[in-house]
Amino acid sequence: GDSVTQMEGPVTLSEEAFLTINCTYTATGYPSLFWYVQYPGEGLQLLLKATKADDKGSNKGFEATYRKETTSFHLEKGSVQVSDSAVYFCALSDWKGGGADGLTFGKGTHLIIQP
Amino acid sequence: GAVVSQHPSRVICKSGTSVKIECRSLDFQATTMFWYRQFPKQSLMLMATSNEGSKATYEQGVEKDKFLINHASLTLSTLTVTSAHPEDSSFYICSARLPGWGGVDTQYFGPGTRLTVL
Repeated sequence: GDSVTQMEGPVTLSEEAFLTINCTYTATGYPSLFWYVQYPGEGLQLLLKATKADDKGSNKGFEATYRKETTSFHLEKGSVQVSDSAVYFCALSDWKGGGADGLTFGKGTHLIIQP
Repeated sequence: GAVVSQHPSRVICKSGTSVKIECRSLDFQATTMFWYRQFPKQSLMLMATSNEGSKATYEQGVEKDKFLINHASLTLSTLTVTSAHPEDSSFYICSARLPGWGGVDTQYFGPGTRLTVL
């Protein structure tokens, strides 16, 4: 079955540091890949997505590139801010020709940015 | 755009009672909605896929008679937890699927409902 593995948290960084959150996946079909963010007390928000190999998703300074050869979709940001503190979920949707299924999520990575 | 709401945001009930949670897509029509469950400090687990006008599809291990899903319109899906017990206490989150170009869809999530069963 499909699965998503992401680095365990919490990840604690200082403001303006470079961020990488690793995500790897296994899928049987043709997955689309997503990063969702959950701020304290709020629901999940779509951060970015990529639908095919070598696509790069980007939003709010965050980027992730769909790497089929390494089955990875690592999230990066060049300079994090305190407001980026949240839980980040990597997810995939495996299109098997009959329409997208529900998302398969990683366990989430809690990011803490200190001033 | 692509806003999904849930009601209520939190509910406390006695063991043995039933609780209904509503999920609405506010600015788009969703033929498919999904229900997830999230335990503390854990990931979201898909419970079921809700299709407008037809029966829901449940994931393995999810009791369909306990978690009743109704998708009566293109903007509303409901999850009813029947005869709730303390082990059903959790954070329930819905999402609505917005079709995209080339068959690639995106799910937009509601803010979640915190259920506490006493």
